[in-house]
Amino acid sequence: EAEVAQSPRYKITEKSQAVAFWCDPISGHATLYWYRQILGQGPELLVQFQDESVVDDSQLPKDRFSAERLKGVDSTLKIQPAELGDSAMYLCASSSHKGTEAFFGQGTRLTVV
Amino acid sequence: AQSVTQPDIHITVSEGASLELRCNYSYGATPYLFWYVQSPGQGLQLLLKYFSGDTLVQGIKGFEAEFKRSQSSFNLRKPSVHWSDAAEYFCAVGGRPGGGNKLTFGTGTQLKVEL
Repeated sequence: EAEVAQSPRYKITEKSQAVAFWCDPISGHATLYWYRQILGQGPELLVQFQDESVVDDSQLPKDRFSAERLKGVDSTLKIQPAELGDSAMYLCASSSHKGTEAFFGQGTRLTVV
Repeated sequence: AQSVTQPDIHITVSEGASLELRCNYSYGATPYLFWYVQSPGQGLQLLLKYFSGDTLVQGIKGFEAEFKRSQSSFNLRKPSVHWSDAAEYFCAVGGRPGGGNKLTFGTGTQLKVEL
């Protein structure tokens, strides 16, 4: 069964360092989402791609966060510099152009120390 | 703006008892509604979804949900809870996922099952 792949599963980094997460969506899925989930809360959308174009990044802290999906396939989310408050689960999801649901990866658990 | 309210942060039920998790939404058009389940440290698994048609939808693991437009609700139910159902449950609302519309999630309900 096709899955959304994310790596790494866990990441510990010191504050002020740079960190990057990778996501490989289900093959053929045009829409890719990055969500952040703070402990005890629901996922919150950071950025949404349609193919290689950003369609919604209104909640992305652009002073420190960046996201790209250069060839419209896999995607990278970067944080530089990381802050203590960035500790969270970062979830990637994808859906097809005619999709009726979003499929989620296992997430990357980030701890900033 | 779209939003989801899950009024119950924690719910505890005995194994074998029935379950109902509440979800209220706000959305300006015909909503797509979802229930996801998340085990600790894991991603989200879709339980069921509603787009149109029959307002009672069946999902995996014996779950069902009923869409009530007049109440803006989409409550999740299960007739008999199993210990393995202990997890966090999220309700979400949005447009069609592949249509450039985002999903907005509630804050979740943590389910504990007593043996």
